[in-house]
Amino acid sequence: DAGITQSPRHKVTETGTPVTLRCHQTENHRYMYWYRQDPGHGLRLIHYSYGVKDTDKGEVSDGYSVSRSKTEDFLLTLESATSSQTSVYFCAISESPRTSGSLIAGELFFGEGSRLTVL
Amino acid sequence: DQQVKQNSPSLSVQEGRISILNCDYTNSMFDYFLWYKKYPAEGPTFLISISSIKDKNEDGRFTVFLNKSAKHLSLHIVPSQPGDSAVYFCAARVYGGSQGNLIFGKGTKLSVKP
Repeated sequence: DAGITQSPRHKVTETGTPVTLRCHQTENHRYMYWYRQDPGHGLRLIHYSYGVKDTDKGEVSDGYSVSRSKTEDFLLTLESATSSQTSVYFCAISESPRTSGSLIAGELFFGEGSRLTVL
Repeated sequence: DQQVKQNSPSLSVQEGRISILNCDYTNSMFDYFLWYKKYPAEGPTFLISISSIKDKNEDGRFTVFLNKSAKHLSLHIVPSQPGDSAVYFCAARVYGGSQGNLIFGKGTKLSVKP
């Protein structure tokens, strides 16, 4: 199993409060991603990182920010949580095709998820 | 506007029979298609993929077929086993896009009954 740890695994918070989810990897993979999973929507990309301090927006980035100050850590922050951000959040990692000759395009390794409830 | 569609929310199959999960897409710029499997309270795990230049890829009990003219792909599981019961997500990657910037379908919940 890929070494990916998400914390916290469960969190309940109130509307308007800031929330930070952490993803930690021990695989030294270059790419890290934050997805959210909602009923009726599958998984949707929020933000991703292609290196330390290099990040970009995904499909549903509004209301979220990210930071990556070290290869192993990718933080997702909700500055002011809203009820629409109640979801299960998954972190994923992947390696660069130039680094891994056997890499399958699009193959991601996911963490176990963080369930966030915003009341 | 859904670019990757899984129109069947659920599928029930008897153990030992074939399971066929379907996926349709609208974007001609997808270069890879993937299937992920997800058990409750776990993250998705990669199952099998296919390049847009192929029409079939097989890995053990799992085969993915791609019909580009119909913009349709399917995952066949033969024979189905109770341990295959999970939610299956179809995903696609845009040509030239980031390695893991995928568009996922909504998922199909497969139940394999003993």
